[in-house]
Amino acid sequence: SQQGEEDPQALSIQEGENATMNCSYKTSINNLQWYRQNSGRGLVHLILIRSNEREKHSGRLRVTLDTSKKSSSLLITASRAADTASYFCATAPTNAGKSTFGDGTTLTVKP
Amino acid sequence: EAGVAQSPRYKIIEKRQSVAFWCNPISGHATLYWYQQILGQGPKLLIQFQNNGVVDDSQLPKDRFSAERLKGVDSTLKIQPAKLEDSAVYLCASSYRRVAGGAVQYFGPGTRLTVT
Repeated sequence: SQQGEEDPQALSIQEGENATMNCSYKTSINNLQWYRQNSGRGLVHLILIRSNEREKHSGRLRVTLDTSKKSSSLLITASRAADTASYFCATAPTNAGKSTFGDGTTLTVKP
Repeated sequence: EAGVAQSPRYKIIEKRQSVAFWCNPISGHATLYWYQQILGQGPKLLIQFQNNGVVDDSQLPKDRFSAERLKGVDSTLKIQPAKLEDSAVYLCASSYRRVAGGAVQYFGPGTRLTVT
């Protein structure tokens, strides 16, 4: 089964609104990463948060990590139509050397 | 710097035929990954190389899939014979080094395979 699972599966918002998506995982991790995938393209790395960090910012992105709940959230503020994409979390368990991807959240931002 | 290159971008074959995909990682990246991404799902790791050695191929269907990374640079992934369920996007990624905690990966555009 997947280590990380994103929620919701799909999200539709208006331009200018904030978008929040969540990732839950099962085992202890070293880090958690968020990636974006535009339709027909490869994945692009957005942000990495380590297990000893609680919050991280990058431009309009804010990522939080709660290791006690084994969950993370990605907040995109003031969304734009160009943010329309699928967003994946990738978790790196402490007992393995690889990251595992969830099935993603598909975000649609309407102009 | 140049990104991860993959070819071809699209491929249509009939079941039981063979197909090969090529990947050239970012220069200097020691770790190379091949993923299979079925429509509506996240990428699933097929094989991971560190230089020219395999470090993880636990999810590679070895009866029909093979991969190599000669000289520790570019890599090829082959499917022989293909099945209908192999229809997917095959993504190649690379990272600077293998990190126990999970490295940042840089992805190519992928090859979309359709098996009819």
